[in-house]
Amino acid sequence: GENVEQHPSTLSVQEGDSAVIKCTYSDSASNYFPWYKQELGKRPQLIIDIRSNVGEKKDQRIAVTLNKTAKHFSLHITETQPEDSAVYFCAASRVNTGGFKTIFGAGTRLFVKA
Amino acid sequence: DVKVTQSSRYLVKRTGEKVFLECVQDMDHENMFWYRQDPGLGLRLIYFSYDVKMKEKGDIPEGYSVSREKKERFSLILESASTNQTSMYLCASSLIGALGNEQFFGPGTRLTVL
Repeated sequence: GENVEQHPSTLSVQEGDSAVIKCTYSDSASNYFPWYKQELGKRPQLIIDIRSNVGEKKDQRIAVTLNKTAKHFSLHITETQPEDSAVYFCAASRVNTGGFKTIFGAGTRLFVKA
Repeated sequence: DVKVTQSSRYLVKRTGEKVFLECVQDMDHENMFWYRQDPGLGLRLIYFSYDVKMKEKGDIPEGYSVSREKKERFSLILESASTNQTSMYLCASSLIGALGNEQFFGPGTRLTVL
């Protein structure tokens, strides 16, 4: 069946360093790839997304790249700060019947050490 | 500002009980989703709905049913609760769109089945 694999499951970096989280997906019909951040005890919130007609998107310290041929997309966080510590989920979505279906990765717990 | 609310933050039920989890959104979103979140497994889709009275199975629908009688409300029903349904349940909503859209999550309901 369809799945999204996310690596690593845990990532620890020093404040100011970069963090990279990678995801692969299996469904070639996927055309929307959001990233969500979930802080401890809180609900997931969208931080950046990319659609299949774009290869890269950047928003301040966060960037996402997409390689549709390889079915691979990545989240890059530069100049990490302690408040970036959270669980990050990648996801892949495709049109399904009247709406769209989203498959999430298992999540990456990011620790940023001050 | 989108608001997604869930009927309970914490719920304790006994094995065999019928359990209702309710979700309400106030932004006139067409799509609504129910996920369960377990450590190391990410967010797994149980059911979703793209219109009133319409529903689609997600990846793990067994043991669950849903109801969408009004556009703003999406209910998850555990017909006969079992201990393996102990989990965090998250509801989400989004606008409809062929290219996919941000999902807005509720605060979650932590269900314990004894």
